[in-house]
Amino acid sequence: QKEVEQDPGPLSVPEGAIVSLNCTYSNSAFQYFMWYRQYSRKGPELLMYTYSSGNKEDGRFTAQVDKSSKYISLFIRDSQPSDSATYLCAMRESSGSARQLTFGSGTQLTVLP
Amino acid sequence: EAGVTQSPTHLIKTRGQQATLRCSPISGHTSVYWYQQALGLGLQFLLWYDEGEERNRGNFPPRFSGRQFPNYSSELNVNALELEDSALYLCASSLSMSPLHFGNGTRLTVT
Repeated sequence: QKEVEQDPGPLSVPEGAIVSLNCTYSNSAFQYFMWYRQYSRKGPELLMYTYSSGNKEDGRFTAQVDKSSKYISLFIRDSQPSDSATYLCAMRESSGSARQLTFGSGTQLTVLP
Repeated sequence: EAGVTQSPTHLIKTRGQQATLRCSPISGHTSVYWYQQALGLGLQFLLWYDEGEERNRGNFPPRFSGRQFPNYSSELNVNALELEDSALYLCASSLSMSPLHFGNGTRLTVT
């Protein structure tokens, strides 16, 4: 079993739809949670960064973390064709000796105009 | 602020050769991370350097190695290249526990 599970999709939605992307994880030591967006032939770009449980909103993006269920989500409101990309969840422990991120496999999203 | 820069953009090698990939972190960042992104396998952690020292490595063979220089730039060396080493190699940098910021990667093709 992978430490981080993410539905690979592909996910196709019409423009303006609300998109929900999710990851589950098994390592209870994970404390920091991130979402990255990766366009084709580019490196991952940081979208959201949260610590422990709770919600965080930034414009059209909302990140949710439920540590009790080991489940994180990213919601995209009013989705646009420019949101078409692969979305990667990532997480890390709070230990100073394990700062590397563990990634989900990514969900490929297409927003149709 | 300049982002993480990686060179070369593309690299073509033959099996058995050595490849050297380079990374310049964001100014002020002291940690550099290397990841391999092979088709269908997601991002796999390779190496983490901080303040010139290797701090952690992922589940890769010893022919994957690297170093970090005094100016915090880094290079990744892959010896005895195998066909399955073909992938996008991503470098990221951070300062302490701040989020990782990635470069656009080096696409290595082994023929």
